[in-house]
Amino acid sequence: EDQVTQSPEALRLQEGESSSLNCSYTVSGLRGLFWYRQDPGKGPEFLFTLYSAGEEKEKERLKATLTKKESFLHITAPKPEDSATYLCAVRENRDDKIIFGKGTRLHILP
Amino acid sequence: ETGVTQSPTHLIKTRGQQVTLRCSSQSGHNTVSWYQQALGQGPQFIFQYYREEENGRGNFPPRFSGLQFPNYSSELNVNALELDDSALYLCASSPYPGASPYEQYFGPGTRLTVT
Repeated sequence: EDQVTQSPEALRLQEGESSSLNCSYTVSGLRGLFWYRQDPGKGPEFLFTLYSAGEEKEKERLKATLTKKESFLHITAPKPEDSATYLCAVRENRDDKIIFGKGTRLHILP
Repeated sequence: ETGVTQSPTHLIKTRGQQVTLRCSSQSGHNTVSWYQQALGQGPQFIFQYYREEENGRGNFPPRFSGLQFPNYSSELNVNALELDDSALYLCASSPYPGASPYEQYFGPGTRLTVT
């Protein structure tokens, strides 16, 4: 069964303390891996799409990387406004269904 | 460029009733997907519409149905509401399924509470 697993479930960091969030996946063939940010009670905000192993994308303090079995979202020198739930999702070759992980709740302390 | 919009924002219904949620897709996008997000969980795929036809469905019963209109807006209908249907319902629009790059943008969601 196709699965997307995110870890850790929750992470508390001090402002400026860099860290990484993990997304591991098992699909028959990857057609795209997506990262989203979600604030409480709101819809997910698109961050990145990655397509192939070795690909990297950056946006401000965030950098996403992709290997054959997992993706990392690196957060460099985070600020309190980076506090949110970060969702990972995959789209496989078989169909257009996009499967989400449960997310990582990130809290940055000032 | 107009983003994805959803209505209503919040809704309270009684078990057994029926509900219709609405979504307008982002300008230039002809594909709409619907998701259910329970508290503390990731979004779960309900179904996708492309050119007014259902183009994929997740593990949801037939009482979850949808429509897409010629202007690419969409409706999600849920019949015989159950307490477990209480969730945030998200609509997402994207370019045609084979597009590359493929990016999916979400609306703000409709919070449905079933009592």
